[in-house]
Amino acid sequence: TQLLEQSPQFLSIQEGENLTVYCNSSSVFSSLQWYRQEPGEGPVLLVTVVTGGEVKKLKRLTFQFGDARKDSSLHITAAQPGDTGLYLCALHSNTGGFKTIFGAGTRLFVKA
Amino acid sequence: DADVTQTPRNRITKTGKRIMLECSQTKGHDRMYWYRQDPGLGLRLIYYSFDVKDINKGEISDGYSVSRQAQAKFSLSLESAIPNQTALYFCATSDFKGDYGYTFGSGTRLTVV
Repeated sequence: TQLLEQSPQFLSIQEGENLTVYCNSSSVFSSLQWYRQEPGEGPVLLVTVVTGGEVKKLKRLTFQFGDARKDSSLHITAAQPGDTGLYLCALHSNTGGFKTIFGAGTRLFVKA
Repeated sequence: DADVTQTPRNRITKTGKRIMLECSQTKGHDRMYWYRQDPGLGLRLIYYSFDVKDINKGEISDGYSVSRQAQAKFSLSLESAIPNQTALYFCATSDFKGDYGYTFGSGTRLTVV
């Protein structure tokens, strides 16, 4: 069974703090995606990384894909209340049949 | 208009009833999906369709059926709803390979009483 674990499950921080959340898999995948989901809405794609070791930046968010393509981290600098939400990672593979696995997510709350 | 539209947004139904959730998209994507989200479990795939004539079961298809009426329309049916099908349901689309992520609808919150 392929597992995808996200940590921490919950995180509550003050505005202005930095944070890192993690996504770890037992298997290698061809790409990894990060999503943010707000209450009452569907997940919204933030970024896709496809190359081991790849780093992508989206304003205050930095995403890194591990060299072995089994893990990833999301770092937020100077968090703001608008960053509050559920952060989901998803690993995708086109080999051996179509497969995407979603993690259960990290629920982030940023206090003003 | 949203790229992926789901109806209804909320639904309460009784055990044993048949219910249909509808999804339409304007992305022009061939691939469409139905996911279920439960607290602490993440998103789990119910069914997916790579084109109008291609329907595939996902990891939790029991108790569900789907219909791909057109490239832009993909509906999910619960033949005889049961309480443990209470969940948030999402329709999604993707490009050909899926490597570049999914576009999700806003979801349907279904409660089976």
